[in-house]
Amino acid sequence: KAGVTQTPRYLIKTRGQQVTLSCSPISGHRSVSWYQQTPGQGLQFLFEYFSETQRNKGNFPGRFSGRQFSNSRSEMNVSTLELGDSALYLCASSLSTGENTIYFGEGSWLTVV
Amino acid sequence: AQRVTQPEKLLSVFKGAPVELKCNYSYSGSPELFWYVQYSRQRLQLLLRHISRESIKGFTADLNKGETSFHLKKPFAQEEDSAMYYCALSVGFQKLVFGTGTRLLVSP
Repeated sequence: KAGVTQTPRYLIKTRGQQVTLSCSPISGHRSVSWYQQTPGQGLQFLFEYFSETQRNKGNFPGRFSGRQFSNSRSEMNVSTLELGDSALYLCASSLSTGENTIYFGEGSWLTVV
Repeated sequence: AQRVTQPEKLLSVFKGAPVELKCNYSYSGSPELFWYVQYSRQRLQLLLRHISRESIKGFTADLNKGETSFHLKKPFAQEEDSAMYYCALSVGFQKLVFGTGTRLLVSP
């Protein structure tokens, strides 16, 4: 079956703009989580959604937000972009019950200039 | 505090040599630990989870609660093992706390 799919794969934005990233989880997976990966901070948890509800949130400012749709697809949004938001944003999905492996997408590379 | 420590940024070995990638954790609950691997230009993928106690691609990892460690081992490294390895701790609701990663470089 298809893996976690993220779009767009690469994008460049200007400071002050906002960006929306999209994630399609593995079929049947109801939990979607987002991570930010940077050389300086490594992999950091942003938030997790299950059945359209945010269940967990990391330590990021309110400019970072997300949502999940009824088909489990998810989007994350970053408003008022800063240079430090340049990162690889990873989406991950899992069943959240039983065998609970978390599967990652290839990520969306965001560059803020 | 929830923390995962991987003390080595880079581990360089020759093909056929034993490998041990270190991971220590700090967590007040019952730990669920994972090793993820990222090969060049590929997505992050699960290598091992401690509850399955299996060997994948010759790698094993044992949870030592007394030493709060979950080191990854392989008796004979192969060139194709060269990758970035991340130790991760599950802290609930699909949240993983990752270590900073260790780059394993296996030379011929």
